[in-house]
Amino acid sequence: QVQLVESGGALVKPGGSLRLSCAASGFTVSDYYMTWIRQAPGKGLEWVSYISSSGSTIYYADSVKGRFTISRDHAKNSLYLQMNNLRADDTAVYYCVRRYYSSGSPHDAFDTWGQGTMVTVSS
Amino acid sequence: DIQMTQSPSSLSASVGDRVTITCRASQSITTYLNWYQQKPGKAPKLLIYAASSLQSGVPSRFSGSGSGTDFTLTISSLQPEDFATYSCQQSYGTPFSFGPGTKVDIQ
Repeated sequence: QVQLVESGGALVKPGGSLRLSCAASGFTVSDYYMTWIRQAPGKGLEWVSYISSSGSTIYYADSVKGRFTISRDHAKNSLYLQMNNLRADDTAVYYCVRRYYSSGSPHDAFDTWGQGTMVTVSS
Repeated sequence: DIQMTQSPSSLSASVGDRVTITCRASQSITTYLNWYQQKPGKAPKLLIYAASSLQSGVPSRFSGSGSGTDFTLTISSLQPEDFATYSCQQSYGTPFSFGPGTKVDIQ
């Protein structure tokens, strides 16, 4: 069964750091493009970052560029998001998401989602 | 960056109703458009990809259409489990962007 399980969410003070983890089962993380997507309380979905299947391509939303780092561990079949210099507007549920991507095809969608982990940035 | 808008922002409907939700992109995205369903406290679920293709396991009462900048999601006969928020998303280019969502609730 294909599954993603996030962990690591917590209450952290502004300027602090946090590392989110996402354990995958039923598929191999390094075979897919993997993403982080967040949702602030009562708000819409916001794409945060993705890493390509080869690991050679990484993109970040402007709102997190220079503060967040996406990475993965093939041996642990896991995805990570290191978040530094956190701000109040980073408060959100963070979802680990598998992206189905086929070059040149419009079949490009977020097909498997974790249950989410809550990050609260507050003093 | 590509901006996504949806209308209406919310609607009330009854079981058995036909429901249509509209999504518009700020530039042409051909058919790089996906639809998601989200229930309170749950993760989103992919319903439609590439504007009109039904994700495996999704009931056939859901359908999508459109290309370019204008898209629609249609629920042919609303069921009790369909009361949720629906969001569109473009995968044409980064940053990937979502619409603000349309909340469908019980009339």
